[in-house]
Amino acid sequence: DAGVTQSPTHLIKTRGQQVTLRCSPKSGHDTVSWYQQALGQGPQFIFQYYEEEERQRGNFPDRFSGHQYPNYSSELNVNALLLGDSALYLCASSLILHSRSYNEQFFGPGTRLTVL
Amino acid sequence: RKEVEQDPGPFNVPEGATVAFNCTYSNSASQSFFWYRQDCRKEPKLLMSVYSSGNEDGRFTAQLNRASQYISLLIRDSKLSDSATYLCVVPRGSNYKLTFGKGTLLTVNP
Repeated sequence: DAGVTQSPTHLIKTRGQQVTLRCSPKSGHDTVSWYQQALGQGPQFIFQYYEEEERQRGNFPDRFSGHQYPNYSSELNVNALLLGDSALYLCASSLILHSRSYNEQFFGPGTRLTVL
Repeated sequence: RKEVEQDPGPFNVPEGATVAFNCTYSNSASQSFFWYRQDCRKEPKLLMSVYSSGNEDGRFTAQLNRASQYISLLIRDSKLSDSATYLCVVPRGSNYKLTFGKGTLLTVNP
């Protein structure tokens, strides 16, 4: 049973460029969330996708956008890269259950983005 | 007050020691709380969930004090393999965003 996978593992870009990060959720999961983790900080929520739509967003500018495909995989796109975008980008998947209980989010290994 | 605030650490303890991490949260409506463990340069993994006053799993005990909006994680008989960053997490809704604390680094020394 494959867990959450992300690609690429590492990426180096220069300021002003654009980047696309990819995520495949754990088998059976239908929801993908993206987080940014700067060095020495906890992960910060970027947004969450379910049924190919963004259903919740954190405090990130419009330069950060995403997409979810019918097979539940997802992309994170960042335009006009800034030095401060250097971070570990984590994807987490879960299964939406129509109940009030928490459904664990499983994290992928992340993509380490360096902006020069 | 920050949404989730943790002991800054780092903690350096000898094997066999008992260590406790503290976390406070600002949203009094939060119903569930979590401790995640993150090894160096790896992804976070769920360690424990706390829904009522507390939860115990082997050497690990998580406690919740709703009146003080405070969560703690106690590790007894520390092992070298417990060395990691421990993240306090408060979710909003059942599947929405997870709000993480900054994390507390624990190093267990031989």
